Amino acid sequence: GQSLEQPSEVTAVEGAIVQINCTYQTSGFYGLSWYQQHDGGAPTFLSYNGLDGLEETGRFSSFLSRSDSYGYLLLQELQMKDSASYFCAVRPSGGYQKVTFGTGTKLQVIP
Amino acid sequence: NAGVTQTPKFQVLKTGQSMTLQCAQDMNHNSMYWYRQDPGMGLRLIYYSASEGTTDKGEVPNGYNVSRLNKREFSLRLESAAPSQTSVYFCASSARALLAYTDTQYFGPGTRLTVL
Repeated sequence: GQSLEQPSEVTAVEGAIVQINCTYQTSGFYGLSWYQQHDGGAPTFLSYNGLDGLEETGRFSSFLSRSDSYGYLLLQELQMKDSASYFCAVRPSGGYQKVTFGTGTKLQVIP
Repeated sequence: NAGVTQTPKFQVLKTGQSMTLQCAQDMNHNSMYWYRQDPGMGLRLIYYSASEGTTDKGEVPNGYNVSRLNKREFSLRLESAAPSQTSVYFCASSARALLAYTDTQYFGPGTRLTVL
């Protein structure tokens, strides 16, 4: 089975940088995705790491290390609108469609 | 493009009642999914359809059935609703059934279901 662990809550100051970690226990997977969800809204795709290393998309970056069973989402120049929940997710190699999501990290950005 | 649409947005049922949640996508995606999200928890996969004509169980399929009506539409049915099925239900779609180097699921706005 798949298990993805994230911190439940993180608080950071507007303009700062924050890192949200995702550690996992899985026998194998295609890649690690990140989704953002504002309160009352639907999840929206942010980033995908199919290979180890860093992927950068504007203020957001995501990192994957398969050898360390670890990934993270890095948010730079935090804005108030970044206050949301962030989920990591994997597609296991033993069942591609059986996507597993982490329990999510609620980020609060404060002035 | 409307993306992924879901109906209804809100629903209240009594225990034992049945209902069908509708989902449609206009992006010509092969794969579609149904998730439930309970307070303070991540999304859990109920059922998925890798392509038109196929459906399969996810992590929490008990109490649900699905139909992939055509490539656009994927419905979720609760035959006899229970309070434990109170949740927010999201439908999602993605472009490819099997791929290596990219992955995006597009989610609908959700259906907020309460079972009394």
